[in-house]
Amino acid sequence: QKEVEQDPGPLSVPEGAIVSLNCTYSNSAFQYFMWYRQYSRKGPELLMYTYSSGNKEDGRFTAQVDKSSKYISLFIRDSQPSDSATYLCAMSARSSASKIIFGSGTRLSIRP
Amino acid sequence: DVKVTQSSRYLVKRTGEKVFLECVQDMDHENMFWYRQDPGLGLRLIYFSYDVKMKEKGDIPEGYSVSREKKERFSLILESASTNQTSMYLCASSLVPDQETQYFGPGTRLLVL
Repeated sequence: QKEVEQDPGPLSVPEGAIVSLNCTYSNSAFQYFMWYRQYSRKGPELLMYTYSSGNKEDGRFTAQVDKSSKYISLFIRDSQPSDSATYLCAMSARSSASKIIFGSGTRLSIRP
Repeated sequence: DVKVTQSSRYLVKRTGEKVFLECVQDMDHENMFWYRQDPGLGLRLIYFSYDVKMKEKGDIPEGYSVSREKKERFSLILESASTNQTSMYLCASSLVPDQETQYFGPGTRLLVL
């Protein structure tokens, strides 16, 4: 079993829709939870970063962590065509030097 | 703005060739990483370095080696390229106290024939 599971998609939604992206994980030691966005032919870039459980909001993006269920989500409100990208969840325990575990990524397409 | 650059965007090599992939960052970051990205497998860590001349194996180091002679530069070496090393290679860097914020280069797409 992988440490981090993420549905690869592709997910296609109309512009303006609310998007929900999710990951599950098995390692209860994870405390840092990230979402990276990767546009086609580019490297990933950090989008959201949360520590432990709870919600974090940044503009149209909300990251949610439920440690009891080992489940994290990223919500995108009022989705735009420019949100079309691959979204990778990532997490770390910071118990070993500098190692982050990435999900395989969900490819998202927003239809105008 | 942090900038991480990689020496090539696309490379085509033959089986058995020695391949060098270079990565340079301009923000004085202590940590540097090499990942490969394959469909369905996500990013897998090959090697990382937390200081000059220091290196640590990641999850899939077999067939690879690295070199970090200067703080800003981290090289990935494929000693004898094989077809199963065809992949997207991504370099990243981060500060020590903020390891979760990694800055990635644009990637090198390597094809081994």
